[in-house]
Amino acid sequence: ETGVTQSPTHLIKTRGQQVTLRCSSQSGHNTVSWYQQALGQGPQFIFQYYREEENGRGNFPPRFSGLQFPNYSSELNVNALELDDSALYLCASSALGSGTSGWNEQFFGPGTRLTVL
Amino acid sequence: QKEVEQDPGPLSVPEGAIVSLNCTYSNSAFQYFMWYRQYSRKGPELLMYTYSSGNKEDGRFTAQVDKSSKYISLFIRDSQPSDSATYLCAMKGGGFKTIFGAGTRLFVKA
Repeated sequence: ETGVTQSPTHLIKTRGQQVTLRCSSQSGHNTVSWYQQALGQGPQFIFQYYREEENGRGNFPPRFSGLQFPNYSSELNVNALELDDSALYLCASSALGSGTSGWNEQFFGPGTRLTVL
Repeated sequence: QKEVEQDPGPLSVPEGAIVSLNCTYSNSAFQYFMWYRQYSRKGPELLMYTYSSGNKEDGRFTAQVDKSSKYISLFIRDSQPSDSATYLCAMKGGGFKTIFGAGTRLFVKA
């Protein structure tokens, strides 16, 4: 069974550019959540995708957007990059039954380290 | 005030010590309480989760939840150098959103 994978591992961009980060979910998982983890902080929830639809969103502006594909892999897109977007971006997959409620274990990927200069 | 407060440390202990890690929270709607371990340059991995109040034990790890005080703890017995990592508490209600603490960096010295 393959775990959650993310690409690229590291990325350097300049302010104002756009970036796309990719995540392959664990086999059998239909839900992907994205988190931003700034240095010395815990992960902050960006949004979740369930069966190709955005299922919920944290306090992030619209320039953070995402997609989920039929194979349940996912992309995170960030437009108009700002210096404060420098962080570790984590993807987590899980298997939801009804879509939102109850307990479901999330499995995290290793993350993509984004640096904005 | 943050929904979840966690002392970032660092916490340094000798090998074999009992480690106590704690978080407080403000949202009484939280039902699931988790502890994750994160090694450097890795994603978080789930150590334990508890539903509602009570204790849960798994090997050297014990998780406690006191909903009346809005306080959760993780105890590590017989700590090992391999336990050196950042420990994140996390919580969720019945919905989709998980809220993490800032993480406590733990160093176990051989």
